[in-house]
Amino acid sequence: DVKVTQSSRYLVKRTGEKVFLECVQDMDHENMFWYRQDPGLGLRLIYFSYDVKMKEKGDIPEGYSVSREKKERFSLILESASTNQTSMYLCASSTDAENTGELFFGEGSRLTVL
Amino acid sequence: DAKTTQPTSMDCAEGRAANLPCNHSTISGNEYVYWYRQIHSQGPQYIIHGLKNNETNEMASLIITEDRKSSTLILPHATLRDTAVYYCIVRVGPLLGGNTPLVFGKGTRLSVIA
Repeated sequence: DVKVTQSSRYLVKRTGEKVFLECVQDMDHENMFWYRQDPGLGLRLIYFSYDVKMKEKGDIPEGYSVSREKKERFSLILESASTNQTSMYLCASSTDAENTGELFFGEGSRLTVL
Repeated sequence: DAKTTQPTSMDCAEGRAANLPCNHSTISGNEYVYWYRQIHSQGPQYIIHGLKNNETNEMASLIITEDRKSSTLILPHATLRDTAVYYCIVRVGPLLGGNTPLVFGKGTRLSVIA
């Protein structure tokens, strides 16, 4: 079974802390994405990456950075967490080798910033 | 910006067909129509996609109008487990050179009622 694994399902952090959200996929996909989901706002794209060491800003990159040192791993970093970053974070991967463009999602990481 | 319009919510009786509409009047010739769904507390899940012709798989059928300006996702015999938010998305397929990330709108919240 194909799998996207997010390191933590639930996290609680304090304002100002540095937060790492890790995502690993085992499908050798070249594309990886980070979304956040908030009630009433739907899924919004934060950052994405089409290859190792490459990154592109999504719609809401402010306050976030990412790292893609290996093909299978895409990390989302909150340099200094703030309460408005309390959200559900979803990682996804896809390949361009198939025309479905299907996105495979992880189960999500629910972050609470106090 | 999402390029599709969907109703905010719909109800469907268990065992009946659920017909979920989507308008995409500005769709380009090389853009596919994708459908995903998100069951509560899980990441979105791919359902089906199509370009021009109607498509069917084990989960659903996709009917695309001849002018391609709208489509309908059909769940032939809805069950309680089909209760979810359904997203209709248009984008260029990867093999046609499209590599833009999927943009999720707010989708349709389908409630299947016993």
